Amino acid sequence: QVQLQESGPGLVKATQTLSLTCTVSRGSINSGDYYWSWIRQPPGKGLVWIGYIYNSGSTYYNPSLKSRVTISVDTSKNQFSLKLSSMTAADTAVYYCARVRIDAGRGVGSNFDYWGPGTLVTVSS
Amino acid sequence: DIQMTQSPSSLSASVGDRVTITCQASQDIRNYLNWYQQKPGKAPKLLIYDASNLETGVPSRFSGSGSGTDFSFTISSLQPEDIATYYCQEYDYLPTFGQGTRLEIK
Repeated sequence: QVQLQESGPGLVKATQTLSLTCTVSRGSINSGDYYWSWIRQPPGKGLVWIGYIYNSGSTYYNPSLKSRVTISVDTSKNQFSLKLSSMTAADTAVYYCARVRIDAGRGVGSNFDYWGPGTLVTVSS
Repeated sequence: DIQMTQSPSSLSASVGDRVTITCQASQDIRNYLNWYQQKPGKAPKLLIYDASNLETGVPSRFSGSGSGTDFSFTISSLQPEDIATYYCQEYDYLPTFGQGTRLEIK
C-alpha cells in the first residue's frame, strides 16, 4: 500500500519560510485518481487543511492561508512540497501530507485515505 | 465558507456502550462527509466516507449516517482501542474539518 513520509526542518525562525517535502512510495504521484495534500494540526488542536495539488501542477489552497502557501510537485522524484512564508508562532504545528481521492463526478478532492506520520514544526522567535 | 459543528467536544463512555457523535454543516452538503479517527501521536485514519460507507478494513462496529446538513457517527459497542479523537470532514468544495470529539473510557 502507498506510503507517505514528510521531511524538513523541525525548527524555523519567525518571518522565515517553511519548506517541507513529502515522498510517496509504493504508489505513483502520476496516478490520475488522486490529489496530494498538506494538512496541519497545532498542538492540542484540530486539523486544518492547507491545500492540495494534482500531478499536472494544478493547485487548490485554503483561502485563509492562500497568500502564504505554495505547493509544488516533482513527478520525477515522486515528491510534492509545501512552502509557507512569513512564519509566526501560530504556524507551530504537526504538518501532515496525505493522498486525496478525487470525486470523479465533480473533480474535487473527497477523502484523505493515506497519511504520512507527520512532522512537528516549531517556530522560534 | 461551510462551517462544521461537531458535538459533543468530549465524551466519556464505558466499554460496550453505544456511542454517537454528530456533525452539522452550515449548509446542504448532500453526502459529502467523511469521518476519521486519530489516536494520540498518530495521523488520522479514514473510517467512513461519503457519510455512510465503511472504509476497507475498518471494523463493522463503526457506522455513519445522514445527508444534507445533519450527520452522525456511531460505535455500536465501544472497545478499549477506540479511545481517540474523531473528526468529521466535509468536501462540498474545499475540505473543512470539524473541531473534533475526544472519546474517553469511563
